[in-house]
Amino acid sequence: AQKITQTQPGMFVQEKEAVTLDCTYDTSDPSYGLFWYKQPSSGEMIFLIYQGSYDQQNATEGRYSLNFQKARKSANLVISASQLGDSAMYFCAMRGNNQGGKLIFGQGTELSVKP
Amino acid sequence: DAGVIQSPRHEVTEMGQEVTLRCKPISGHNSLFWYRQTMMRGLELLIYFNNNVPIDDSGMPEDRFSAKMPNASFSTLKIQPSEPRDSAVYFCASRGTGPYSTNEKLFFGSGTQLSVL
Repeated sequence: AQKITQTQPGMFVQEKEAVTLDCTYDTSDPSYGLFWYKQPSSGEMIFLIYQGSYDQQNATEGRYSLNFQKARKSANLVISASQLGDSAMYFCAMRGNNQGGKLIFGQGTELSVKP
Repeated sequence: DAGVIQSPRHEVTEMGQEVTLRCKPISGHNSLFWYRQTMMRGLELLIYFNNNVPIDDSGMPEDRFSAKMPNASFSTLKIQPSEPRDSAVYFCASRGTGPYSTNEKLFFGSGTQLSVL
């Protein structure tokens, strides 16, 4: 069975500093994908970044990067130069290639950026 | 593109009433997912369809819940009879490739906030 674990219910970061949101996963699938989504207070789910299990390099998208450590089964999200608009819930998610396409989510981390 | 469209945005109903949530996926997408979000349980996958066929409904909480996808552009999630514990935000999401591709992201609708009194 697949499982995603986010152990930080809430995080604070000072504006302009970097922050790391933790995510660990468990799967028996040989091939899988890892995703991060952002959910602001308005409620919509916004895709941030994707990492494939066979990708050699860590994914980056602007200020977002994914610190992928396959042996440790971790896929931490790093946000550089935090902005007030980054305050939101952040969800880590995974899809395995033997799971018929379904995406399972972690419990989320609430990030608050302080001015 | 209009994105995934869900209706209604908000639904308030009384216990015992039937509730129908609607979703229009992005045109051309062949996979559709229904999720439920609560504070206690987070984001739970209820059911998903590939090419209008239900693939996995193991997340549907009980027989009071049913979902249909009569065509590629429309899906419904029905709760009959509704109960207060069904109060949650219900999201519909779609994506465009087959079930064995791992890299296609889901596009989410804005959600339906359901309150059962």
